[in-house]
Amino acid sequence: QQQVKQSPQSLIVQKGGISIINCAYENTAFDYFPWYQQFPGKGPALLIAIRPDVSEKKEGRFTISFNKSAKQFSLHIMDSQPGDSATYFCAASTTGNQFYFGTGTSLTVIP
Amino acid sequence: VTQNPRYLITVTGKKLTVTCSQNMNHEYMSWYRQDPGMGLRLIYYSASEGTTDKGEVPNGYNVSRSTTEDFPLRLLSAAPSQTSVYFCASRRTVRNEQFFGPGTRLTVL
Repeated sequence: QQQVKQSPQSLIVQKGGISIINCAYENTAFDYFPWYQQFPGKGPALLIAIRPDVSEKKEGRFTISFNKSAKQFSLHIMDSQPGDSATYFCAASTTGNQFYFGTGTSLTVIP
Repeated sequence: VTQNPRYLITVTGKKLTVTCSQNMNHEYMSWYRQDPGMGLRLIYYSASEGTTDKGEVPNGYNVSRSTTEDFPLRLLSAAPSQTSVYFCASRRTVRNEQFFGPGTRLTVL
């Protein structure tokens, strides 16, 4: 059973466009929601994270929107660049260290 | 976070160990496996030296945490279903950023 459901599986965006990746969860005990970026042949790297006491967090071109009542959160990449082409994973965890990852979204930004 | 080896090919039934080390004095260390279309799944984790706990998919694996720095993953009897990319990760506390190693690509024939 997938604890965190992620969509879409793949995404193609024009340079300068907005990339949007969505995740949904069921377990209301989750209290930390990070997004990871992974390039081929590399390990995932933390991109941005949010806790459920805020509805939005922005770092540069990357924004997390969090809807606690709907149990959904999303990553928005503004002004998408070819260098953003990577696989993105959402995740959720509880205080007890169990991290659950989404299935990943392969983003391709076309020049 | 360093892992060795980066690539490994073995045959069914073999016993093997993938090493993981971190020099950041992190308390928490974890092992994940990454399979196409399934994201990363937690195999085992350790909250401190001397402790380990099972994650989502622990069957067929074994770990130990005898030092703060090292967290080796052992496959007791390799199976084709364990063909995957394995990532070790560490972080200072339960609330901090998790750092991943470069991964170990394992193929079991």
